Amino acid sequence: DTGVSQDPRHKITKRGQNVTFRCDPISEHNRLYWYRQTLGQGPEFLTYFQNEAQLEKSRLLSDRFSAERPKGSFSTLEIQRTEQGDSAMYLCASSLDRGGIYEQYFGPGTRLTVT
Amino acid sequence: RKEVEQDPGPFNVPEGATVAFNCTYSNSASQSFFWYRQDCRKEPKLLMSVYSSGNEDGRFTAQLNRASQYISLLIRDSKLSDSATYLCVVNLYGNKLVFGAGTILRVKS
Repeated sequence: DTGVSQDPRHKITKRGQNVTFRCDPISEHNRLYWYRQTLGQGPEFLTYFQNEAQLEKSRLLSDRFSAERPKGSFSTLEIQRTEQGDSAMYLCASSLDRGGIYEQYFGPGTRLTVT
Repeated sequence: RKEVEQDPGPFNVPEGATVAFNCTYSNSASQSFFWYRQDCRKEPKLLMSVYSSGNEDGRFTAQLNRASQYISLLIRDSKLSDSATYLCVVNLYGNKLVFGAGTILRVKS
């Protein structure tokens, strides 16, 4: 399977702990995106990378959140000092420019539960 | 006002029915448009891109009206397997996707 992969698929952590998620995009895709989805809502944009450069961050991405894509391949999303409100599905997507239309393909997500 | 608005449904339809979903978006600078499908506790999957001229893929037809900032999805001959949440999505400046909250479709035998 050459789709977007994410690890872990599920994470349960206690409030105040740090967590890190990994995303491996489709290999030829140069753009990588992170989204967060809570129950009953559509995904919300967090940040995106073009190659290794982080080009945009949402105001949802507080200073407890950091994302990296060190070599323009896989990406990590770290949440420090987790809070119960961080419980959500964290989705990664990747895309390739097709004449200005960026069709984004999503990974299976990491479901985070903060207790 | 939400950037992308959809009727949450649910739409309960019998197999074989035709069903239509509508969506409006607020940012006239939106550049590209999509419909995604999401099954319960799964990731969104791209169903189709929506072009200004309208486009069709099998039983699915999407339309875009830029003047009214309106997008539609028509599903003909509904199958049980079409049951899912359908997400209307717009793309600003080639970067982030902005999702609606989704419309729930339930197809019943």
